[in-house]
Amino acid sequence: EIVLTQSPATLSLSPGERATLSCGASQSVSSSYLAWYQQKPGLAPRLLIYDASSRATGIPDRFSGSGSGTDFTLTISRLEPEDFAVYYCQQYGSSPRTFGQGTKLEIK
Amino acid sequence: EVQLVESGGGLVQPGGSLRLSCAASRFTFSNYWMSWVRQAPGKGLEWVASIKQDGSEKHYVDSVKGRFTISRDNAKNSLYLQMNSLRAEDTAVYYCARGGWHFDLWGRGTLVTVSS
Repeated sequence: EIVLTQSPATLSLSPGERATLSCGASQSVSSSYLAWYQQKPGLAPRLLIYDASSRATGIPDRFSGSGSGTDFTLTISRLEPEDFAVYYCQQYGSSPRTFGQGTKLEIK
Repeated sequence: EVQLVESGGGLVQPGGSLRLSCAASRFTFSNYWMSWVRQAPGKGLEWVASIKQDGSEKHYVDSVKGRFTISRDNAKNSLYLQMNSLRAEDTAVYYCARGGWHFDLWGRGTLVTVSS
């Protein structure tokens, strides 16, 4: 099973700043099969990025994903108030599909 | 609007059973792998099971193998999760999700509580 470790656990930033969230895998993720999700309190997760760097339908271009192998990054270029939420990475290159523990992005 | 709506959650005693349903609308359900993902209270996300478009292939996380069964009825645009021998650690919000690997559409979830 591939274990995903997200860092930092909590990130405190202000609107307008740049956010960089990391996801490290215990083994190489096949074919960069990695996704990022955003979850707000009481709501279902929303797919942001798949295949490490492809934006999902309707996702603003301030969200970008990068990385390969064991190291992946989600970047939010300029934070908007609605971006403060919990973010999860997920690998689907091998079974079982696994999620990271999440990074909470909070307003500073 | 494209959506997934779960139902069937509730309170059940340890060792009991529950069947979750997910109704899909406004997309061609039979074209997609479908999955269940759960989230224990205050915790992260855990993939539970996935099923191929025609039901011929099913995948499960080890912790539910032999206890949970995923199924679908394409004529009714519905996905199901039969949960038997439930344990306290199965307590979670269960989400229906479109996709077999990454998940591009999610329902709002249904809460399953396993407690005596």
